Amino acid sequence: DAKTTQPNSMESNEEEPVHLPCNHSTISGTDYIHWYRQLPSQGPEYVIHGLTSNVNNRMASLAIAEDRKSSTLILHRATLRDAAVYYCILRDSNFGNEKLTFGTGTRLTIIP
Amino acid sequence: DTGVSQDPRHKITKRGQNVTFRCDPISEHNRLYWYRQTLGQGPEFLTYFQNEAQLEKSRLLSDRFSAERPKGSFSTLEIQRTEQGDSAMYLCASSLVWDSNSPLHFGNGTRLTVT
Repeated sequence: DAKTTQPNSMESNEEEPVHLPCNHSTISGTDYIHWYRQLPSQGPEYVIHGLTSNVNNRMASLAIAEDRKSSTLILHRATLRDAAVYYCILRDSNFGNEKLTFGTGTRLTIIP
Repeated sequence: DTGVSQDPRHKITKRGQNVTFRCDPISEHNRLYWYRQTLGQGPEFLTYFQNEAQLEKSRLLSDRFSAERPKGSFSTLEIQRTEQGDSAMYLCASSLVWDSNSPLHFGNGTRLTVT
C-alpha cells in the first residue's frame, strides 16, 4: 500500500483556520486521497476525499498539489469539537482493493 | 439511519476464555469491515465481507479469530483462547458500495481487556 506521512501533532487556536499537511510521494494513478478523523472514544468518521481537484464540503476543504504528492486538509474555523486525530489515507479505487489502511495520523489540539 | 452499532461496548475477560462481538451495520450496506486499534495507533484492518462472502483476511487474523456474516446483515467476530495481546478496541464499519470511494461508517467499537 502507498504510504502517507503526517506530523504527529499540531495545535491551533479556536476559531482560526487549520491546515493539516500530508505527504504521499508514492501515490499511484488509481489512488484517491481520503481523510478521516477520530474523536476521543469514538470510531473514525469520514471527512472528505479527492483525486486531483480541490474539494469542499460542509466539514472541510481538501487542497491537492498539482503533482498529487501532497495534500492539505483545511478546517476553515476550528472549534473545540474539531480536536481529534486526523488520518490521511490513500485508497485504491480498483474494485476489491478499497480497504482503508490507517497510519498514526495527526493529533490536533484546539486551544480555547 | 441509526449508524453502525456494536455490542458490547466493553468486555473484560480472563486469558484463555472465548469472546464474541457483534456488529450491526447500517441497513442495506453490503460491505462490512472489522478493524483493531491499540492505544496510540491507527486502526488495523482485519477482514471484510461483501454481503455474506468474506473477501479478504489480514495476516493479523490468526487462527484463533473467526468472523461471520451469515445472512449478509449483522456480523460476529469471535476470538478463541484469548491472550493479553488481544486487548484492543475492535471496530466495525460498513459501506454501500456504489463506487469504490464510498465512505466507511464506523461504529464506536468494543473495547476488549484480557486479564
